[in-house]
Amino acid sequence: DARVTQTPRHKVTEMGQEVTMRCQPILGHNTVFWYRQTMMQGLELLAYFRNRAPLDDSGMPKDRFSAEMPDATLATLKIQPSEPRDSAVYFCASGFVSPLWERTDYGYTFGSGTRLTVV
Amino acid sequence: SQQGEEDPQALSIQEGENATMNCSYKTSINNLQWYRQNSGRGLVHLILIRSNEREKHSGRLRVTLDTSKKSSSLLITASRAADTASYFCATRDTGRRALTFGSGTRLQVQP
Repeated sequence: DARVTQTPRHKVTEMGQEVTMRCQPILGHNTVFWYRQTMMQGLELLAYFRNRAPLDDSGMPKDRFSAEMPDATLATLKIQPSEPRDSAVYFCASGFVSPLWERTDYGYTFGSGTRLTVV
Repeated sequence: SQQGEEDPQALSIQEGENATMNCSYKTSINNLQWYRQNSGRGLVHLILIRSNEREKHSGRLRVTLDTSKKSSSLLITASRAADTASYFCATRDTGRRALTFGSGTRLQVQP
């Protein structure tokens, strides 16, 4: 089965350090999402891309977070500087969305996540 | 922000019994999806129901949608220990592209 691959699986870092999380979406998928999961807030949307163009990053703290898709096989999420409140599991998901969003009725495929701990 | 509230938050049943989870949401939706998450893993898509559909089946799963009440239910029949996981409903709101997730139901199936 095709998979969304996320690296690293686990990351422990000190406050103030830069963190980069990577995601390889499924080949042929044209939409990539970044979600964050915490016990308190549940699953929150951070950003998403369609055909590598950012469509919505309103869920992301702009001063420290950035998301990019340098090419169709790689999406990155960076935090600089990291803070303890950023500790969470970060998920990447990909899917195929038709040009007419309203006619897209497919689920998305999630990666296994990056568990980030900022101490 | 979370769209859906799921009920119950936790459910414990015996193998072979049916499990029913409910989800309520607040906005107009294009479709509603259910996902499963095993401990320490990513989410797995289970089933999708469109806003103009009322019921859908997939194997041991049955999903209903009542758009007038803004609610959905997921029924797992003849549950197995392997069904132990958290289950999330997610809505794709009309005019929006990403999914908004509910708070989840933790299901424990006792062998």
